Amino acid sequence: AQSVTQLGSHVSVSEGALVLLRCNYSSSVPPYLFWYVQYPNQGLQLLLKYTTGATLVKGINGFEAEFKKSETSFHLTKPSAHMSDAAEYFCAVSDRGYSTLTFGKGTMLLVSP
Amino acid sequence: KAGVTQTPRYLIKTRGQQVTLSCSPISGHRSVSWYQQTPGQGLQFLFEYFSETQRNKGNFPGRFSGRQFSNSRSEMNVSTLELGDSALYLCASSNIEGYNEQFFGPGTRLTVL
Repeated sequence: AQSVTQLGSHVSVSEGALVLLRCNYSSSVPPYLFWYVQYPNQGLQLLLKYTTGATLVKGINGFEAEFKKSETSFHLTKPSAHMSDAAEYFCAVSDRGYSTLTFGKGTMLLVSP
Repeated sequence: KAGVTQTPRYLIKTRGQQVTLSCSPISGHRSVSWYQQTPGQGLQFLFEYFSETQRNKGNFPGRFSGRQFSNSRSEMNVSTLELGDSALYLCASSNIEGYNEQFFGPGTRLTVL
């Protein structure tokens, strides 16, 4: 069975600082990988995804993530945090050919002025 | 294109009652998945429907059921509600040709008293 580990349930950064949210997965074959963001009282919005091809993936709102097969990681980064980035972030995986997503526990990103 | 819609947005029930939640997918999407989100367990997959057939099921008791109609709209039902069923129920639709990318609705917040 697949599993996703997000290191750190809460991450605090200052506005303008680098954002780094960590995600590691366990899977026998490289899965599809996703990062979603959830704002309070809302559903999940897709930030970016890795399916095939280039391992550095760019998403919305200035976020990007790099798929590293050797490290089974898919960490999310943003060079400069903005107050509006404060939200909960979820890493998810799915087997190729299947829709079902397995989510990590989520990381709450706190941005201070 | 309109996004995924879920009704109702909020629901309060008492233990022992049953509840039906509704989800309308993005036009043209034939796959609908349901997830339960709680603070303790995080996001957990309930089931997936494709062309009116349940294609995949998560590890939930039989009190949780669902169905999909010919227009791809989906409902999920929870019978004999328990306090632990209080959660945000998220519906997601996908175009199976789109690398499993799932688009989420805003969710239905169910509170069981």
